[in-house]
Amino acid sequence: TQLLEQSPQFLSIQEGENLTVYCNSSSVFSSLQWYRQEPGEGPVLLVTVVTGGEVKKLKRLTFQFGDARKDSSLHITAAQPGDTGLYLCAGGDPNDYKLSFGAGTTVTVRA
Amino acid sequence: NAGVTQTPKFQVLKTGQSMTLQCAQDMNHEYMSWYRQDPGMGLRLIHYSVGAGITDQGEVPNGYNVSRSTTEDFPLRLLSAAPSQTSVYFCASSYSRRVGGRLDTQYFGPGTRLTVL
Repeated sequence: TQLLEQSPQFLSIQEGENLTVYCNSSSVFSSLQWYRQEPGEGPVLLVTVVTGGEVKKLKRLTFQFGDARKDSSLHITAAQPGDTGLYLCAGGDPNDYKLSFGAGTTVTVRA
Repeated sequence: NAGVTQTPKFQVLKTGQSMTLQCAQDMNHEYMSWYRQDPGMGLRLIHYSVGAGITDQGEVPNGYNVSRSTTEDFPLRLLSAAPSQTSVYFCASSYSRRVGGRLDTQYFGPGTRLTVL
């Protein structure tokens, strides 16, 4: 099993502030995904990154895949209460279908 | 499309009881999987299926059985419930293993919250 470590575990910020969440591993991933999960619901995919050094933007969310494809970060600009949720990173090899998830970062954005 | 549906939403069992968690998808997805989510441990893969009639073990398969007789359904059976199986269970599906070399999108159900006393 490939281990993914996420930090911080919890993050509480004021509306309008910026935040960054990290996902690190000692293993190389051919593909990495970020999901957001709201209370009482299943995770929903935000983005998939494949290429080392890749940067993807989704409105106020910026995702970066490390050059060595072992780590990733999620940056939220001007956070809003609607960004509150559990952010999970997941990595895997498309050849064996088994996906490894990090423990997640719980983000709370206060109005 | 209803997407991925799971029943029941909540369940309380006594130690030693058996039950089946239901999962269905109406998106004609080839791949389906079961995860459990525990505080501080993220999602862990229990079993998965790459198509009707084909299943395989994930990271934490002990105490669980699965079968895949149709493309749509992927039930998870707890043979003899134990308190260690208290968790939130998620079913997920995806159309394929990969799309152009990247992992395909997994669609998750709303989860089943199971408590074993």
